[in-house]
Amino acid sequence: IAGITQAPTSQILAAGRRMTLRCTQDMRHNAMYWYRQDLGLGLRLIHYSNTAGTTGKGEVPDGYSVSRANTDDFPLTLASAVPSQTSVYFCASSAWGNQPQHFGDGTRLSIL
Amino acid sequence: DQQVKQNSPSLSVQEGRISILNCDYTNSMFDYFLWYKKYPAEGPTFLISISSIKDKNEDGRFTVFLNKSAKHLSLHIVPSQPGDSAVYFCAASVPYGGATNKLIFGTGTLLAVQP
Repeated sequence: IAGITQAPTSQILAAGRRMTLRCTQDMRHNAMYWYRQDLGLGLRLIHYSNTAGTTGKGEVPDGYSVSRANTDDFPLTLASAVPSQTSVYFCASSAWGNQPQHFGDGTRLSIL
Repeated sequence: DQQVKQNSPSLSVQEGRISILNCDYTNSMFDYFLWYKKYPAEGPTFLISISSIKDKNEDGRFTVFLNKSAKHLSLHIVPSQPGDSAVYFCAASVPYGGATNKLIFGTGTLLAVQP
């Protein structure tokens, strides 16, 4: 079934550790996004990529980095995790920037 | 400051009746809106959208109404079914960073459809 795959589904991580959340899509979508969902705040954009080879900062980019080496993969890295990064992380993609975004099932990350 | 607001955190409706989920926005420049449905432990699923050139869009049991002067939209589900029980997010799609759009989400409304 075509869609977005995120890994891992959940993770508990010690503060200060490095972590990469993986995201792969098989819909050949140009644009990809990372959001975090926190209670009472909805989903907020962390980083995005319009097309392979380009990335941009969203609303809450601090402490996160992304790369887009090819169309299908868009990993999100926490270089040195902090407890405030405890959240549920969703990856999304869209054919073009103004098309509906399709979401993966999320990664639940707890930083202790 | 929330630019997209869903003021009802939860809504309970009897099976077969109409569910009405509301959403308000603050920026009159917003011109494209989407509704997403989310089950626990799953990602949001796109449901229906509306552009500001329309005031209504219908897809099966789901209808979205847009009132631009009031900066208000609503999602109607008729008839409601127990499988509709989920969190519903309203979002505005806005141009961001050149060629892309970002979604500005509301905080969601938990719909419970009682059998």
